[in-house]
Amino acid sequence: RKEVEQDPGPFNVPEGATVAFNCTYSNSASQSFFWYRQDCRKEPKLLMSVYSSGNEDGRFTAQLNRASQYISLLIRDSKLSDSATYLCVVNGPHTGGFKTIFGAGTRLFVKA
Amino acid sequence: DAMVIQNPRYQVTQFGKPVTLSCSQTLNHNVMYWYQQKSSQAPKLLFHYYDKDFNNEADTPDNFQSRRPNTSFCFLDIRSPGLGDAAMYLCATSWELSEAFFGQGTRLTVV
Repeated sequence: RKEVEQDPGPFNVPEGATVAFNCTYSNSASQSFFWYRQDCRKEPKLLMSVYSSGNEDGRFTAQLNRASQYISLLIRDSKLSDSATYLCVVNGPHTGGFKTIFGAGTRLFVKA
Repeated sequence: DAMVIQNPRYQVTQFGKPVTLSCSQTLNHNVMYWYQQKSSQAPKLLFHYYDKDFNNEADTPDNFQSRRPNTSFCFLDIRSPGLGDAAMYLCATSWELSEAFFGQGTRLTVV
């Protein structure tokens, strides 16, 4: 089992649609969680941190479920500019220190 | 203002010729990471420094080395680049386990 697994993509949605991504992690001792966005041939950029209480930033909502070991990202009212790869990132303890693990990423295409 | 700066943005090197990629940061973060990203794949952690402590991933080839002479700078040395090492190399920094900030990456071509 991979340490961090994401929904396989790509997701092709029309403008205005709501789309949800899920990500599961295997290490129950993981401590911090993030969603990053990566555009083609660019570096990943932080989209949101993810907290147990859930957090919202405009059209984006992220949630963490520690009991089931998954995090989610909901995008409402999709825009063309939301087209990108979304990466789930999990930080947690590892032999000798800690480890930052990226999921494989989910590609989103928003079409007019 | 760029906070994590990678140089060069593009690097072409010959097969087997040592190459060094550099990364600097103005954030005073204690953790610095090097990732390798190949086309259509997620970034793969090569190693990271937690302060001065070096942490190598188990599957990182010996061909890859790193140096962190001070808080602000970190280098990735590829001793004998092969064709399979062509990729985007991303440097990132964080404070403890908080979110990571990435540089723009160095795209390495091996000819």
